[in-house]
Amino acid sequence: GESVGLHLPTLSVQEGDNSIINCAYSNSASDYFIWYKQESGKGPQFIIDIRSNMDKRQGQRVTVLLNKTVKHLSLQIAATQPGDSAVYFCAENAGGTYKYIFGTGTRLKVLA
Amino acid sequence: NAGVTQTPKFRILKIGQSMTLQCTQDMNHNYMYWYRQDPGMGLKLIYYSVGAGITDKGEVPNGYNVSRSTTEDFPLRLELAAPSQTSVYFCASKRTGGRSTGELFFGEGSRLTVL
Repeated sequence: GESVGLHLPTLSVQEGDNSIINCAYSNSASDYFIWYKQESGKGPQFIIDIRSNMDKRQGQRVTVLLNKTVKHLSLQIAATQPGDSAVYFCAENAGGTYKYIFGTGTRLKVLA
Repeated sequence: NAGVTQTPKFRILKIGQSMTLQCTQDMNHNYMYWYRQDPGMGLKLIYYSVGAGITDKGEVPNGYNVSRSTTEDFPLRLELAAPSQTSVYFCASKRTGGRSTGELFFGEGSRLTVL
């Protein structure tokens, strides 16, 4: 289930289940989005990106869905593994700038 | 390739001291960024640069300064350190190209404590 911790919301899933991590963005001018994974003590690492002219993009075991109408995107991880335990961030970029603004993040805990 | 290298990895400062966080990348990337990450929180953009000699403010620039004299280096200067600047600082770079040509490559971070 999903719970709100002291800072980061946490999503706990059983190993082998699918995970869905959500992100709401506020800037209607944002037209490019990236998902990052951050393991403890490390810098964020790129997972997958999507442009606003797409609704869905698939990678290896991951899928990103974009709903521009409600300014929402999600990251789906298939067959979640212990190595997927990390904090996940979405980042957005608005047209005309090279700023990449990060969301709050979600901690994913994979239960054995 | 070493990627993005940050130094120091850890530092403790007293209130009012100044210091520079170093960042260098060997990927010939034009775009470089500084973010801060407070404990259990997301990343906030401090400053960024689209090339040598060009810098611009991000979301939280107050209390910081940057310079970009070369493509490789993007140091972050803290003047008059305050406890509110206690954070982990991440430097990142992005390859030359359009803004939707993806990923930022991050360094390992510099953990700064101001007492």
